[in-house]
Amino acid sequence: QVTLKESGPVLVKPTETLTLTCTVSGFSLSNARMGVSWIRQPPGKALEWLAHIFSNDEKSYSTSLKSRLTISKDTSKSQVVLTMTNMDPVDTATYYCARIRWGQYYFDYWGQGTLVTVSS
Amino acid sequence: QSALTQPASVSGSPGQSITISCTGTSSDVGGYNYVSWYQQHPGKAPKLMIYDVSNRPSGVSNRFSGSKSGNTASLTISGLQAEDEADYYCSSYTSSSSYVFGTGTKVTVL
Repeated sequence: QVTLKESGPVLVKPTETLTLTCTVSGFSLSNARMGVSWIRQPPGKALEWLAHIFSNDEKSYSTSLKSRLTISKDTSKSQVVLTMTNMDPVDTATYYCARIRWGQYYFDYWGQGTLVTVSS
Repeated sequence: QSALTQPASVSGSPGQSITISCTGTSSDVGGYNYVSWYQQHPGKAPKLMIYDVSNRPSGVSNRFSGSKSGNTASLTISGLQAEDEADYYCSSYTSSSSYVFGTGTKVTVL
């Protein structure tokens, strides 16, 4: 059974750095073709793709947020970490991680999401 | 990368068919057969309904179907049911090796 679970702070202050962790089970991050994407959704708004990382360590970032994002993985812990610098209130959103596979261009399993509020 | 354009809302009576459009550009929807559709109920995570324009994952009702013409993809729900009331988002792979989502459509079952 494939599951993903996001964890991280509920509240961050403006200008701080956000660190989110996605812990996966039911598949291995060392397995060829496996990858994880981060996607966010501000309250009442649309989904926005942020970044992905594959088992071969290939990474890709949203063009508009690239300067603020870093994605990495710890295969031994089955975790993918996303950091976002210089947080702003407009970054308030539910952040999801989702599975993606190399050669496939869709997100087949999603975590439950974690709401992050940016406020002083 | 601008969001793909979807109608804000679509409604229909039980048993009817509805279609949701998703318009992009030749750099995303029109350039690849990599359009997917997601259903999202309030407070829940999105669920994959269609991938690669017209393929249904195992377990998804055959009442859901997808198609594409040029820069516009479409999701059709036939035999509309109360449980289909939700938000729907399209997504496409892009020429920047990234992904773009649609603006989202709220489906109401009258």
